[in-house]
Amino acid sequence: QIHLVQSGVEVKKPGASVNVSCKASGYPFSSYGINWVRQAPGQGLEWMGWISVYSGNTNYAQKLQGRVIMTRDTSTTTAYMELRSLTSDDTALYYCARGNPGVGASSYLDYWGQGTLVTVSS
Amino acid sequence: SYDLAQPPSVSVSPRQTARLTCSGDKLGDKYTSWYQHQAGQAPVLVIFKDSERPSGIPERFSGSNSGNTATLTINDTQAMDEADYYCQAWDRGTVVFGGGTKLTVL
Repeated sequence: QIHLVQSGVEVKKPGASVNVSCKASGYPFSSYGINWVRQAPGQGLEWMGWISVYSGNTNYAQKLQGRVIMTRDTSTTTAYMELRSLTSDDTALYYCARGNPGVGASSYLDYWGQGTLVTVSS
Repeated sequence: SYDLAQPPSVSVSPRQTARLTCSGDKLGDKYTSWYQHQAGQAPVLVIFKDSERPSGIPERFSGSNSGNTATLTINDTQAMDEADYYCQAWDRGTVVFGGGTKLTVL
């Protein structure tokens, strides 16, 4: 069975950084991509970026350029998303999702993590 | 940037057909996926590549995409189908989501 299990709730102060992990199991990790998607309270889904697990290449949403870093560790089949310089606008539920196949125009997000709540508050 | 437009809300009676639309410039030239998102749960892929249905998704769910509009059709709508639905496409290497449609079954 395919699972994406994310790390737990985070509470951060403005200006801090947060690191969310996504542990994948049940499939060949390097054969697919990982996307990160967030949902702020009362808002829709917002794509943050993707990482090609095979190559490590990344592509980030323009509004997050310079603040987000996506990495992966193939030895532990875990993807990571770090978001820096947090503000209250970053308070959201953060999801990782598998990109099938990989990343690109024919790709879709077929398995999702359970979500990680990140709250930014002074 | 590329935009996908969805109506904020759609209402349907039980056992009737719900049609949710997603509009974007030449969307028919791209693949569209659809996700069901219920409160407190992770989104679920219900349609990919315009009209393909993942295993485990009921046949009541179908999709089409032509011109500037993609459509998710839910036949024989059930109370359990009440959720937010998001369309998604790729544009120049980035993922784009529509704003979502809240489907109410009443």
